[in-house]
Amino acid sequence: SQQGEEDPQALSIQEGENATMNCSYKTSINNLQWYRQNSGRGLVHLILIRSNEREKHSGRLRVTLDTSKKSSSLLITASRAADTASYFCATDDNTDKLIFGTGTRLQVFP
Amino acid sequence: EAQVTQNPRYLITVTGKKLTVTCSQNMNHEYMSWYRQDPGLGLRQIYYSMNVEVTDKGDVPEGYKVSRKEKRNFPLILESPSPNQTSLYFCASSLSYPRLGGSTDTQYFGPGTRLTVL
Repeated sequence: SQQGEEDPQALSIQEGENATMNCSYKTSINNLQWYRQNSGRGLVHLILIRSNEREKHSGRLRVTLDTSKKSSSLLITASRAADTASYFCATDDNTDKLIFGTGTRLQVFP
Repeated sequence: EAQVTQNPRYLITVTGKKLTVTCSQNMNHEYMSWYRQDPGLGLRQIYYSMNVEVTDKGDVPEGYKVSRKEKRNFPLILESPSPNQTSLYFCASSLSYPRLGGSTDTQYFGPGTRLTVL
């Protein structure tokens, strides 16, 4: 079962613009994480938000979580060409599995 | 350096020839898991382990085996590989389990193993 679904599947923006990507999930969760993947490489953790939190910041990243809508968004402000990557959300489904979404492919043009 | 290592990084094999992909972490992590990544499907969890001798199925366990005899190692075994197991495989580890809901859930990923089964 695919718990997380990211939207959009692909996003192209210019450097300096903001990038917003969304994640929806199906069951109740304990926390939601966002990861980044450069082409063909391992995923790198970006930020974790707990189910009792609504917003979290880390540098140029802002994550929101709406448990009533079972959705989260990741905002990257003032994007750079180096932000070009795929971004995935991951959730537990109240078990010890970790379920990743299908990802958003972000392209930032210089 | 804290890391998760996988070997081999690339493997081309033929249908039915048993293979093992090794995974090792040096962070004394409790939780380890294997994922496969396919275009358009994201990452799907194959198996996970919460500690030595404790393993459980993820979402796509068919055709795979795992073992956790030591805390640091979590090999993935394909007893009889088939072409539909051609994929990019990732091993990951974390200090604690996803259900605990804390920062110790952060997954550390290996560099990946690209497997082709002919």
